[in-house]
Formats: sequence, structure tokens, C-alpha cells
Amino acid sequence: DVKVTQSSRYLVKRTGEKVFLECVQDMDHENMFWYRQDPGLGLRLIYFSYDVKMKEKGDIPEGYSVSREKKERFSLILESASTNQTSMYLCASRQDRGISGNTIYFGEGSWLTVV
Amino acid sequence: AQSVTQLGSHVSVSEGALVLLRCNYSSSVPPYLFWYVQYPNQGLQLLLKYTSAATLVKGINGFEAEFKKSETSFHLTKPSAHMSDAAEYFCAVSDGRAGNMLTFGGGTRLMVKP
Repeated sequence: DVKVTQSSRYLVKRTGEKVFLECVQDMDHENMFWYRQDPGLGLRLIYFSYDVKMKEKGDIPEGYSVSREKKERFSLILESASTNQTSMYLCASRQDRGISGNTIYFGEGSWLTVV
Repeated sequence: AQSVTQLGSHVSVSEGALVLLRCNYSSSVPPYLFWYVQYPNQGLQLLLKYTSAATLVKGINGFEAEFKKSETSFHLTKPSAHMSDAAEYFCAVSDGRAGNMLTFGGGTRLMVKP
């Protein structure tokens, strides 16, 4: 069965803290994604990675960075957390060998509250 | 650029009634279209997808969607709602460009009344 695991389901952090959100997939997928989900806005892409050590900015990369040192792991980093980064963060992965219709598989999400 | 509009952020139906969740997209090339469902406190799960085969696509849990190119629509339906269908539903489009990125609609929360 497909598995995308986000290590932390619920986090509370203080303004200015550095925050790491970890994601691991066990499907040997090339592509991995970080989305942010907010009510009424749907899912917005923060960053994606199409291979190890490769990354591309999504629609809302400001205030975030990512790391992909191994194929199965994709980390989202908030260098200095702010209250407007309080949100649900979803990691996802996809097998992609140039096939557009491949399914994206999601983790269960990480609820981050910045106080 | 591709975009998705889901009409109605909240839809309420009675148990046993027809479910209709609307999705319209814009894309300058033939798109790939997806419906995902999100149950409370969970991630997104694929319901069904259209990838240029049959225009009527059947998914899990009795849902189906019809691709209508002339109307640029991909509405999700289910003949008879169950209480367990209460969730948030997201429509998404990928037109195969720009790394095959998915663009999501704003979501529709489905409520099912007993």
C-alpha cells in the first residue's frame, strides 16, 4: 500500500522559531511536494522536488525552504516562524516518468500553530 | 495558466439524496482532472481521475464524474448520499505543463443530514 508519512501531526511553535516538518514516502517516487491548506483557499503549492537535491518553487515559497537529501525524504523548513504560517501542511509524492495523469498521494497532514 | 473553480464552498444534502459537487476548469490544452476527498483530520485521498479515456469516470464509494469539454466542467455526483460521505472534496487540474503540477480548487464541504 502507498504510504506518505508526516512525522508530526500537531505542533505549536513560537514566533521566530525554526520549524522542521518531515515527510517520508516508501514508494520510490521521484516527485515530492509540500502544500499548505487554508479554509476557502484549497491547497497551494509551496515547493516541489522532482529528484534528490532538486527543488522548485511553487506558488507561495516565501518564508519557506526545503531539503531533499534522500529520495524518500522531503523536509519543509520555516526559518523564522510567523503567525501567518499557522496552517495545515500536506506532503505528497508521485511517480512521474513524464506521465501527466499519475496520481499524487498525500500524507495525513501536519497542523502547525504559531503563537 | 490552468485554474479550477468549485461552485459552493458548502453543500448540504439529506441522506439518500443526490450529491452534486460542481467543478469548472480552465486550461488551454487537454487537461487531466482529479477529485480528491478529505475526511476530518486526514490527508487527501483520490476519488477518481480523468486522463483522456472515457468521459464518464467511476471512482470509489459510488462516486462518478463526467468530463464535458464544451462546458469545461468535471462535476462529481453520487446517486444517494450516505452519512459517511460528509467530508471536504477538492477538484484539481493538471494540463501536463510546468512539471505536471496540480492546481486545486478551493474545496467544497459536503454535509449530510439524517
